[in-house]
Amino acid sequence: EVQLVQSGAEVKKPGESLKISCKASGYSFTSYWVGWVRQMPGKGLEWMGVIYPDDSDTRYSPSFQGQVTISVDKSISTAYLQWSSLKASDTAMYYCARHVGYYVSGRLSGWFDPWGQGTLVTVSS
Amino acid sequence: EIVLTQSPGTLSLSPGERATLSCRASQSVSNSYLAWYQQKPGQAPRLLIYGASSRATGIPDRFSGSGSGTDFTLTISRLEPEDLAVYYCQQYGSSAYTFGQGTKLEIK
Repeated sequence: EVQLVQSGAEVKKPGESLKISCKASGYSFTSYWVGWVRQMPGKGLEWMGVIYPDDSDTRYSPSFQGQVTISVDKSISTAYLQWSSLKASDTAMYYCARHVGYYVSGRLSGWFDPWGQGTLVTVSS
Repeated sequence: EIVLTQSPGTLSLSPGERATLSCRASQSVSNSYLAWYQQKPGQAPRLLIYGASSRATGIPDRFSGSGSGTDFTLTISRLEPEDLAVYYCQQYGSSAYTFGQGTKLEIK
């Protein structure tokens, strides 16, 4: 069974750093891109970026470029999302998901299946 | 960036009825690269449809997708109580993926 299991909820103060994780199992981790999606309280889904575990090729949404860092450790089939200095506006649920689709001539196209259970990040002073 | 607009915002129907959810794109979605997801309360999203009309593994045939260009539709025939959820469309025809704002489906 393909599964993505995320790390637990976090409560942080503004200005602190944070790294959350997403551990994959049940498939060849280095053969699929992994994506991150934000869901702010009571709001919709926002694509943040994707990473290819085999070579760490990373693509960011323009809205999140420079705001977060996506990385992987393929030796333990785990993807990460990290912040160097959190803001209150980073309070949200964050989901990782396996990216399924196509990669042709450097262009990535695909959907997300399955999704992790989500990690709730709360940033408050 | 391709903007996806979903309508209606909320849909309230009875069990056994048919639900029609719309997703309209601000520009044509190439190759009908559009997916639909279901998010039940307190749960992570689940893939329903990809490629505008292909059902994901394990999805009942009550769920169907159609459309091309800028207009896409998710149809749920014979609604069941467990279909209570928010439904999102996502386009992957451009390198910057975007989601619609969601349609909330209420079951009377």
